[in-house]
Amino acid sequence: SAVISQKPSRDICQRGTSLTIQCQVDSQVTMMFWYRQQPGQSLTLIATANQGSEATYESGFVIDKFPISRPNLTFSTLTVSNMSPEDSSIYLCSVYRAETYEQYFGPGTRLTVT
Amino acid sequence: GESVGLHLPTLSVQEGDNSIINCAYSNSASDYFIWYKQESGKGPQFIIDIRSNMDKRQGQRVTVLLNKTVKHLSLQIAATQPGDSAVYFCAERSRPDKLIFGTGTRLQVFP
Repeated sequence: SAVISQKPSRDICQRGTSLTIQCQVDSQVTMMFWYRQQPGQSLTLIATANQGSEATYESGFVIDKFPISRPNLTFSTLTVSNMSPEDSSIYLCSVYRAETYEQYFGPGTRLTVT
Repeated sequence: GESVGLHLPTLSVQEGDNSIINCAYSNSASDYFIWYKQESGKGPQFIIDIRSNMDKRQGQRVTVLLNKTVKHLSLQIAATQPGDSAVYFCAERSRPDKLIFGTGTRLQVFP
C-alpha cells in the first residue's frame, strides 16, 4: 500500500482567490493523479501529474484553472485558481504503482468557496 | 463534515446478512477492476481488485465476480457488519493513466 497525506484537509475560501493543495506519498510511485468529487457524486479525473513536465489534463479541465506541479516522485501540488462556488468539492490525490497495478487515494481536501 | 453519496442508490441490509453490490462497466477493453469503500469524510479505500483474465477473486469476507460477457462486476460482502456501512465504488482501467469510476452505491447496515 501507500500512505498519502494531503494539506490542507479542508478550507473555506472566497471567490476569486486561489488555493494550492499539497500531496505527499511515503514512497516513490509510478504515477500521481488528481481527482475531484463533487457533493454526492463519483470521482472524476482532473489530470495526471507528470514529473518534470506539464500535467496531462482530461477533457473539461485546463491548466490555467488547475495548474499542477510534480517536482519529484513523491510530491505533487494542485492549485484551484480564480475560485467560484462551483469549485466547491473534495479534491483527492491518488497514486499508482505499476508493479502491483494498485491505485490508492489520499484523505482528500474539502474545499468550500463562498 | 461533508457527506458523500447523498444522491446515490442505497442498499440496506441487516447485520449478519450477505450484501451484493453490482456495477456495470463501460469499456470492453478494460483489463483491471477495483472496488473501493468510502466512508464519510475520508478518501476511497482499496478493498479488492481483479484482472480481466479472472472471473472471481476472494478476500477476507469479500468476493469480486467479473462477467466480461455482459460487462458486469459485483462485490459480495459476507456477514455484513455495521462497520461496512459506506459508499462503494467500482472502477475500471483500460490504460495505466486512467481509472474510471462508477456512480457508487451506499450500503446501510441495520442492527
